Amino acid sequence: GDSVTQMEGPVTLSEEACLTINCTYTATGYPSLFWYVQYPGEGLQLLLKATKADDKGSNKGFEATYRKETTSFHLEKGSVQVSDSAVYFCALRFGNEKLTFGTGTRLTIIP
Amino acid sequence: DAGITQSPRHKVTETGTPVTLRCHQTENHRYMYWYRQDPGHGLRLIHYSYGVKDTDKGEVSDGYSVSRSKTEDFLLTLESATSSQTSVYFCAISGGVNTEAFFGQGTRLTVV
Repeated sequence: GDSVTQMEGPVTLSEEACLTINCTYTATGYPSLFWYVQYPGEGLQLLLKATKADDKGSNKGFEATYRKETTSFHLEKGSVQVSDSAVYFCALRFGNEKLTFGTGTRLTIIP
Repeated sequence: DAGITQSPRHKVTETGTPVTLRCHQTENHRYMYWYRQDPGHGLRLIHYSYGVKDTDKGEVSDGYSVSRSKTEDFLLTLESATSSQTSVYFCAISGGVNTEAFFGQGTRLTVV
């Protein structure tokens, strides 16, 4: 079945460091891909999305490119801030099917 | 923010008692989902609905049932709560094909 594999955490970085969180997927066909963020004590919020190959989703300085060849959707940010500390989830969805999530990556940014 | 309200936000219950969690939306979205979140497992789908009275099982549906008698409400019931059902439960809604889902704030359930 469809699955999402995320980079194991936790990840700890210093403020202004570069961030990459790896995400690869296994699916038949071409799903829509998403990154969600969860701040402490809150629900998940959509961070960005891409619906077809080579699309780049971006929001709040984060970017991810839908790579069909490598079945990947890595999350990147050039300079992280303390406020980016959260848990990040990669997810995929086919059509009207359910969202399938990775296990999440906890990110901590140190001032 | 999408209009999703989960109730209650926190609940402590005893083993063997029935529990119902409610998800209410004001977006008129067709699809509704119940997920549970546990450390090391990410989010796992319990049940979902694709319309009034149309529901289906997810990957961890044992011990849970759902009902959707109105577009705006999706109820999750634990018929006889067990300690393994201690978790954070999230409701989500989605409007259409290939679209993102919007999540509620979650319900923290503790079964003692």
